[in-house]
Amino acid sequence: DAGVIQSPRHEVTEMGQEVTLRCKPISGHDYLFWYRQTMMRGLELLIYFNNNVPIDDSGMPEDRFSAKMPNASFSTLKIQPSEPRDSAVYFCASTYGQNTEAFFGQGTRLTVV
Amino acid sequence: AQSVTQLDSQVPVFEEAPVELRCNYSSSVSVYLFWYVQYPNQGLQLLLKYLSGSTLVKGINGFEAEFNKSQTSFHLRKPSVHISDTAEYFCAVSGSGTYKYIFGTGTRLKVLA
Repeated sequence: DAGVIQSPRHEVTEMGQEVTLRCKPISGHDYLFWYRQTMMRGLELLIYFNNNVPIDDSGMPEDRFSAKMPNASFSTLKIQPSEPRDSAVYFCASTYGQNTEAFFGQGTRLTVV
Repeated sequence: AQSVTQLDSQVPVFEEAPVELRCNYSSSVSVYLFWYVQYPNQGLQLLLKYLSGSTLVKGINGFEAEFNKSQTSFHLRKPSVHISDTAEYFCAVSGSGTYKYIFGTGTRLKVLA
């Protein structure tokens, strides 16, 4: 397996634009996590899914953020409208089962200007 | 609710010296503990994990950690570091009944020649 695949690796966008980040988890994994990493706040869990169903989205900062998982092999994190304070590295991770090793993608570095 | 505290944001150490990176956690349920390493511009990868059993856990690259329930700690150690160990290290906790991973703020290990 190629591991967790995220796209794009880098995204630069203007304030107010819609941004969509994509993630393909490892085949067979049933949990998917979205994290945001900043210098100030470290790694924050935004939302996680189990079998494509959102289980806990309490970390989603506000209504501008939304995440979907239409099937077991694809998830998106959307920010609309984007703001400069959303600039961060966004990671997707997947696991098989509970409390097992999380496999991380390479991340998407988002810059909102 | 679970939380993780990494007390040291940066740890400089000379090559071939021992190092300890500290991690304390809080949880009201049984915990599963992890250490991850992040090299520049990459995702996180697992160093080691504690799920149950022996409290001394050995991981990759010569690292080990000890689970101490009474002190709610899971410190990471290596007896002799190399320049290549320079990276950021994250402690994470996941709990019985809640399967989201909570990460600490990270410790930046800098190995000096």
